[in-house]
Amino acid sequence: KNEVEQSPQNLTAQEGEFITINCSYSVGISALHWLQQHPGGGIVSLFMLSSGKKKHGRLIATINIQEKHSSLHITASHPRDSAVYICAVKPNTGTASKLTFGTGTRLQVTL
Amino acid sequence: EPEVTQTPSHQVTQMGQEVILRCVPISNHLYFYWYRQILGQKVEFLVSFYNNEISEKSEIFDDQFSVERPDGSNFTLKIRSTKLEDSAMYFCASRPSGRIADTQYFGPGTRLTVL
Repeated sequence: KNEVEQSPQNLTAQEGEFITINCSYSVGISALHWLQQHPGGGIVSLFMLSSGKKKHGRLIATINIQEKHSSLHITASHPRDSAVYICAVKPNTGTASKLTFGTGTRLQVTL
Repeated sequence: EPEVTQTPSHQVTQMGQEVILRCVPISNHLYFYWYRQILGQKVEFLVSFYNNEISEKSEIFDDQFSVERPDGSNFTLKIRSTKLEDSAMYFCASRPSGRIADTQYFGPGTRLTVL
């Protein structure tokens, strides 16, 4: 079983729709990251959370530590949001904050 | 805004050859990482590096792999004798400190193709 599970694996939305991507994890963590991977392969860090909620522009990330669950929301989606969104956690074990990654959610936003 | 850079962006090599992938982390960062992503698969941790030594490594990071910070700015990943299955995107990342609140900053990646 993967330590980090994301759903859905693939998501197609129309421009303007509200989007939710979910991440569940099975280990104790000290932080959770949401990352965006563009079609060319580059990775950009969107959020790092250890509790509560963060907002940046049209993006909102929430985390429930007790339920081991996080969500990434995109409001008023746009075709430029099309990318793979990756959840990654920093487990409590280990010394150097290595990340354990989910398989990603491929988002396609159409006009 | 400071960023992590990686060179080359794409490297093609023959099986059995040595490759060195280069990264320049953000200048005041202290923790450095290599990750890889085989095409169609998830990103996987390879190794972390702090205070001029490896602090953690995965099962993937066997004797064929080594890392070095030769001059205080570059952070390199060497694969001694490449195999076909080493073909992947390799990402470098850096982090300012060990504080939980510090995020990792990723480079753009090097696509390694082993023929």
